[in-house]
Amino acid sequence: ETGVTQSPTHLIKTRGQQVTLRCSSQSGHNTVSWYQQALGQGPQFIFQYYREEENGRGNFPPRFSGLQFPNYSSELNVNALELDDSALYLCASSYGSGGATDTQYFGPGTRLTVL
Amino acid sequence: AQSVTQLGSHVSVSEGALVLLRCNYSSSVPPYLFWYVQYPNQGLQLLLKYTSAATLVKGINGFEAEFKKSETSFHLTKPSAHMSDAAEYFCAVRFGNQFYFGTGTSLTVIP
Repeated sequence: ETGVTQSPTHLIKTRGQQVTLRCSSQSGHNTVSWYQQALGQGPQFIFQYYREEENGRGNFPPRFSGLQFPNYSSELNVNALELDDSALYLCASSYGSGGATDTQYFGPGTRLTVL
Repeated sequence: AQSVTQLGSHVSVSEGALVLLRCNYSSSVPPYLFWYVQYPNQGLQLLLKYTSAATLVKGINGFEAEFKKSETSFHLTKPSAHMSDAAEYFCAVRFGNQFYFGTGTSLTVIP
């Protein structure tokens, strides 16, 4: 069984640029969630996708967008990067419709640095 | 509003001593509560979860947590710390599709 994988591991961008982060869900999982973890903080929920549709969103601006593909892999896109976007971005997959008892399995994250 | 508060951003224990990491929650409905561990440069790993069944929840690596509604707490304990327990620990509450994480507690184990 393959776990959750994310790419790239590290990324450096400059302010105003756009970035795409990728996530491959654990085999059999149909729900993916994205989190932003700033240094020294807990993860903050960005959004969740279930069967290719957004199924919940946290307090993030529209320049944070996502996609989930038929194979349940996912992308997180961030436009017009700001310095405060520098963080570890975590992807988590689960099986189910995103119910409260679904167990999420996290990937190792992508470290984004915005200069 | 749903939230969790972790008391103590840094906890140090001696190897073999009791580990106690504190978490208090705020939730307008019966909560689903989780503890995750994060090792350096890794993602989060689920230790245990409370989903309104037994109030004492046993997890992996010898950890357990007790849900106390009267105290709105879900503290994580382990009877005997091991060097490999050194990591960052996060308490989280789930409401609907969203997880709300605490700010984390860094556990140091002293040999």
